[in-house]
Amino acid sequence: GNSVTQMEGPVTLSEEAFLTINCTYTATGYPSLFWYVQYPGEGLQLLLKATKADDKGSNKGFEATYRKETTSFHLEKGSVQVSDSAVYFCAHMNYGGSQGNLIFGKGTKLSVKP
Amino acid sequence: DVKVTQSSRYLVKRTGEKVFLECVQDMDHENMFWYRQDPGLGLRLIYFSYDVKMKEKGDIPEGYSVSREKKERFSLILESASTNQTSMYLCASSFTGSTGELFFGEGSRLTVL
Repeated sequence: GNSVTQMEGPVTLSEEAFLTINCTYTATGYPSLFWYVQYPGEGLQLLLKATKADDKGSNKGFEATYRKETTSFHLEKGSVQVSDSAVYFCAHMNYGGSQGNLIFGKGTKLSVKP
Repeated sequence: DVKVTQSSRYLVKRTGEKVFLECVQDMDHENMFWYRQDPGLGLRLIYFSYDVKMKEKGDIPEGYSVSREKKERFSLILESASTNQTSMYLCASSFTGSTGELFFGEGSRLTVL
C-alpha cells in the first residue's frame, strides 16, 4: 500500500552543520511530494513540494529533489540554524484514496545546538 | 493570511465525557481533515470531508464522528472519551484539485483522565 518512510530521529546537529533527512515512499503512480515542518507548539506548515520527477523544491535554504528511480525525496540544508529546530514530515498525495489526502511519514525531530 | 482556527488549544476531559473539537477555515476550501498526532506514529487520518454534509472515514475512525454543516466548519466528536484518545488533534483544509497543499491549524491537545 501507499506509505512514507523517513529516517528516525532525533537528529542533533551543531549550528552551520549540513543536514540530510532521508525520505522514501511507496505509491501508485507518481504522486506529488511534500516536506512539512512543525515548530514547537505549532501546527504543520508546508516547507516545500515537488509535483513531478526531477523537480526540486526549495524554501528557506532547504531543498529536496523528486527522484522517481529511487522513490526518494531527501531533505537537505547546507547550514542549519538554531531556528530550524523542529519536527519535519515527509508526505505524498494519496491518489489511491479520496481527494486531497496526504500520506505522512512519522516525522523526524531536529535539534540544532548553538 | 490563510487561517485554520481550532477552538481549543488544550482540553482536559474525563473518561466517558462527550468532547467536541471545532475547526474553522476562512479560505473557502472544499476539503477538511482531522488527524491525530502521536509520538512515534506521526499523523493518522481520522475523518475527512470534501463537501458540506459529506464525510469519509480515514484510517482510524473508531470512537470518533464528525459534522460538517457549513463549508467553513468541521467538527470532531468523541462520543465517549477514553484515555487512549489522549492525543494532539490537528485540523487541516485544502482546495479540491490543488497539488496537495494542506493548511493546518495549531492543534488541540486533549488529555482524557
